[in-house]
Amino acid sequence: GNSVTQMEGPVTLSEEAFLTINCTYTATGYPSLFWYVQYPGEGLQLLLKATKADDKGSNKGFEATYRKETTSFHLEKGSVQVSDSAVYFCALNTGFQKLVFGTGTRLLVSP
Amino acid sequence: GAGVSQTPSNKVTEKGKYVELRCDPISGHTALYWYRQSLGQGPEFLIYFQGTGAADDSGLPNDRFFAVRPEGSVSTLKIQRTERGDSAVYLCASSLTQGDTDTQYFGPGTRLTVL
Repeated sequence: GNSVTQMEGPVTLSEEAFLTINCTYTATGYPSLFWYVQYPGEGLQLLLKATKADDKGSNKGFEATYRKETTSFHLEKGSVQVSDSAVYFCALNTGFQKLVFGTGTRLLVSP
Repeated sequence: GAGVSQTPSNKVTEKGKYVELRCDPISGHTALYWYRQSLGQGPEFLIYFQGTGAADDSGLPNDRFFAVRPEGSVSTLKIQRTERGDSAVYLCASSLTQGDTDTQYFGPGTRLTVL
């Protein structure tokens, strides 16, 4: 079946550090891939997406590249800020309209 | 413009009671989705509407759960004979169309607590 595996958290970083959150997937066909973010006390927001192999999604300094050969969609940011502290969810959509989410990775950034 | 709204934001009920959760999608969005998020987990798909009809209800856990969208806009998720295991945050999302590349926009959720 379709599934998403994310690295377990929490990920604890100091401000301005480099961030990587790993995400790998198993899917039939060619899914679209998404990163959603959930800030404390807020709802899920789309952070970025990629719809085909080798596409790079980017937003707010975050990037992720759709790697079909390694079935991965790792999230990166060159310099994190305290305001980036949140829970990050990797998700896929195989064309059957429902998103399949990973379990989420909590990021804590300290000043 | 306005985003997806959900009411109530919190609902506390007793085991065995009936509850209704409401979702107002973004105006003009034809597709509407319900998900359930348990503590420490990612959202899990429950049901998806395209227009007024439920196109996929494969995620509903059992027949105590039912959802409607009679006029193709507002949707109501209905849970009968609630159980403690139903406690979770229920999320609603909408998208402009039903394409797999379309962004799903999520509401703030309804936190359901079954005592």
